[in-house]
Amino acid sequence: AQSVTQPDIHITVSEGASLELRCNYSYGATPYLFWYVQSPGQGLQLLLKYFSGDTLVQGIKGFEAEFKRSQSSFNLRKPSVHWSDAAEYFCAVGAPSGTYKYIFGTGTRLKVLA
Amino acid sequence: NAGVTQTPKFQVLKTGQSMTLQCAQDMNHEYMSWYRQDPGMGLRLIHYSVGAGITDQGEVPNGYNVSRSTTEDFPLRLLSAAPSQTSVYFCASRNREGGYGYTFGSGTRLTVV
Repeated sequence: AQSVTQPDIHITVSEGASLELRCNYSYGATPYLFWYVQSPGQGLQLLLKYFSGDTLVQGIKGFEAEFKRSQSSFNLRKPSVHWSDAAEYFCAVGAPSGTYKYIFGTGTRLKVLA
Repeated sequence: NAGVTQTPKFQVLKTGQSMTLQCAQDMNHEYMSWYRQDPGMGLRLIHYSVGAGITDQGEVPNGYNVSRSTTEDFPLRLLSAAPSQTSVYFCASRNREGGYGYTFGSGTRLTVV
């Protein structure tokens, strides 16, 4: 069955520390992969996406993610976290064009300590 | 460029009442979807549309209706509200080529008492 797993429900890091949020997926073929961020009371904003090419993708707000086919993973990273990064982060997968459905993980809530 | 606009932002309903959540996008996107977000459950697809006049059910369609008479609008109707429908509802849209991701509205927080 198709699924997305974000194993960490909560993560706490100190401001300035590095961050890695994990995402593993189960899918029949290489899907499109996404990371979204949701600030409190807001909708989801697309951070970055992967659908082909270089397996290390850069996104907005200084985030990057690496697609590892052998591990079925798409982990999100940031070298130095800012207090404003505190939010909930969702990994999602989608089939190549022509289908509607994205599958979302259950989210990782990031807390940043000053 | 407004993107995806949802109204209202907050709503309280009594059990058994009906209402419509509005969603409009100005990006000429073909695909539109409604999700509900509940703690610890991520986003679950309620209904979706791949173009004007075409709608279908997602994972959790019971108790909801949709229609898509124009490309821009995709309203979600709660037929007879139940406490289990207390949730945050998001409308999202994207173009046919799926690699660019969905654009989300800011959500409607619905409480059914």
